Amino acid sequence: EVVMTQSPTTLSVSPGERATLSCRASQSVRSNLAWYQQKPGQAPRLLIYGASTRATGTPARFSGSGSGTEFTLTISSLQSEDFAVYYCQQYTDWPPLTFGGGTKVEIK
Amino acid sequence: QLQLQVSGPGLVKPSETLTLTCSVSGASIENSIKYWSWIRQAPGKGLEWIGAIVYTGSAYYNPALRGRVTISVDTSRNQFSLSVESVTAADTAVYYCARQGETVFGVIGNNYFDPWGQGTLVTVSS
Repeated sequence: EVVMTQSPTTLSVSPGERATLSCRASQSVRSNLAWYQQKPGQAPRLLIYGASTRATGTPARFSGSGSGTEFTLTISSLQSEDFAVYYCQQYTDWPPLTFGGGTKVEIK
Repeated sequence: QLQLQVSGPGLVKPSETLTLTCSVSGASIENSIKYWSWIRQAPGKGLEWIGAIVYTGSAYYNPALRGRVTISVDTSRNQFSLSVESVTAADTAVYYCARQGETVFGVIGNNYFDPWGQGTLVTVSS
């Protein structure tokens, strides 16, 4: 099983600032990585797939990068609606498909 | 627009079987070269993939669930279902259904999840 590790667990950021979230895979997943955003009481929403391709409707301030075992999600200028929990997910080696433990982006 | 809706009981007794159904609208399961998946999230915890099925009935499961899980599909109703046997308190979670994968040169690849259903909380308690 590919273990996904996200850091930090919590990220405190002021509105308008840049946020950088990390995701590490226990083995190479090539570029087969997705990012999701989850707000309280809601289902996760796909933001990024293929490590760097924005899903339909994802604002341009969200960008993904990386390949192999190290990945980054960057939010260039945090808006109020961006405060949420973010999960990464690998889809190279399955079953099972696996998620990271999440990073909560909170208001500083 | 593709939409998924989970239905089923919110309370299940320990040792019994949890059964949920995901109804799909806006697309035909039978005509989609995609997987249809179940994912759960224990209260305050992260996401766990349970398993996935394709319209032919072929299914894949998370080994961590040790054979307690069955996913089935009913193409006539455009629905797929989840059964979890011998539930315990550890199975208490919000259960989501989602479409998984995209069609790449006629086969299913890129197994990310989009869209997701709204989820339903299932509590295991006597």
